[in-house]
Amino acid sequence: GQQVMQIPQYQHVQEGEDFTTYCNSSTTLSNIQWYKQRPGGHPVFLIQLVKSGEVKKQKRLTFQFGEAKKNSSLHITATQTTDVGTYFCAESGTYKYIFGTGTRLKVLA
Amino acid sequence: GAGVSQSPRYKVAKRGQDVALRCDPISGHVSLFWYQQALGQGPEFLTYFQNEAQLDKSGLPSDRFFAERPEGSVSTLKIQRTQQEDSAVYLCASSPDRGQPQHFGDGTRLSIL
Repeated sequence: GQQVMQIPQYQHVQEGEDFTTYCNSSTTLSNIQWYKQRPGGHPVFLIQLVKSGEVKKQKRLTFQFGEAKKNSSLHITATQTTDVGTYFCAESGTYKYIFGTGTRLKVLA
Repeated sequence: GAGVSQSPRYKVAKRGQDVALRCDPISGHVSLFWYQQALGQGPEFLTYFQNEAQLDKSGLPSDRFFAERPEGSVSTLKIQRTQQEDSAVYLCASSPDRGQPQHFGDGTRLSIL
């Protein structure tokens, strides 16, 4: 069935270091959404990518959609302690969303 | 403007009991989703409503799970004859329409003893 894998599963970085999480699908993605979930919180929408090769930026966050629309990445430049949380990608099908396995980020001050 | 509201926040039930979880979506949002999230995992899709129509229920784990949204706003997820493996956080999300960003509620943490 449809699967969306994310790597790495966990990442510990020193504050100020960069961080990247990758999302890979076994099928071509129609679009991809990224969410952040703080510990004890609920997922919060970050961005949606639709077009092949699309790149979007939000301050220190850069989101990319692969040319073949089978993968996506989220890159954070100069991490801060406020970036702590789990980052999920999610693919939308006709009605349902398939969430990735998530990457849990810890930032050490 | 209020966000997605879920109640109760916490629910403890004995195995075999029935439970009902409520979701109040953002007013005017057409799409409503239910997810199950186990500890350390991503949200797992359960079911999708477009207004009052349940268009996808492929994620419901068994026929013990039932969801409804009779008037196209508030939704209820019911679990009958609960089992220990039903313990999880149940998240509700709504969006203005299909394919648009989802707004999640705080979830209901269900513990089955």
